[in-house]
Amino acid sequence: NAGVTQTPKFRILKIGQSMTLQCTQDMNHNYMYWYRQDPGMGLKLIYYSVGAGITDKGEVPNGYNVSRSTTEDFPLRLELAAPSQTSVYFCASTLGGEAFFGQGTRLTVV
Amino acid sequence: QQQVKQSPQSLIVQKGGISIINCAYENTAFDYFPWYQQFPGKGPALLIAIRPDVSEKKEGRFTISFNKSAKQFSLHIMDSQPGDSATYFCAARGNSGYALNFGKGTSLLVTP
Repeated sequence: NAGVTQTPKFRILKIGQSMTLQCTQDMNHNYMYWYRQDPGMGLKLIYYSVGAGITDKGEVPNGYNVSRSTTEDFPLRLELAAPSQTSVYFCASTLGGEAFFGQGTRLTVV
Repeated sequence: QQQVKQSPQSLIVQKGGISIINCAYENTAFDYFPWYQQFPGKGPALLIAIRPDVSEKKEGRFTISFNKSAKQFSLHIMDSQPGDSATYFCAARGNSGYALNFGKGTSLLVTP
């Protein structure tokens, strides 16, 4: 089992550019999440999904969008990148117990 | 605001010593309290977890103590080893799609 796979691992964006962070899981988990991790701040929830076709905002959703067309995939879209979005992004999934995390995407906006 | 407060921010312990990390929460609707371990460049991984109907859970060298009335829980690492050097996050699960609310993390360094 691959678990939760995120791509890319690293990316540098210019201000105003857009990009999609990919996340896929092969564990047939209903629940999926996007978190961002900033130094000394823990992980903050951006968006989550309780199943295909259903998404909801977390604590810090501004500047991001998500979609969930299949159980496996939960991409995160940045439309107009800003320096404040420089962070490490983690995708996670669960059936309701242990949450499994991907390896992260380190994004720098310059 | 931070729903789970974690302390200390950093901790240095000698090999063989006990590492203790504390967390506090306010929301009584939280129903699951995991601890995650994260190594540099990796995603967090579940270390141990507890539910509020239990006051203590032990797995090997790792123990969670849970005080429901005080709304506090802590991680104890016995016989700490250099390989335990990592960042530790406490978390609490609410009812928004089982999403976890994380503390800010504790950077643990175990010296030889």
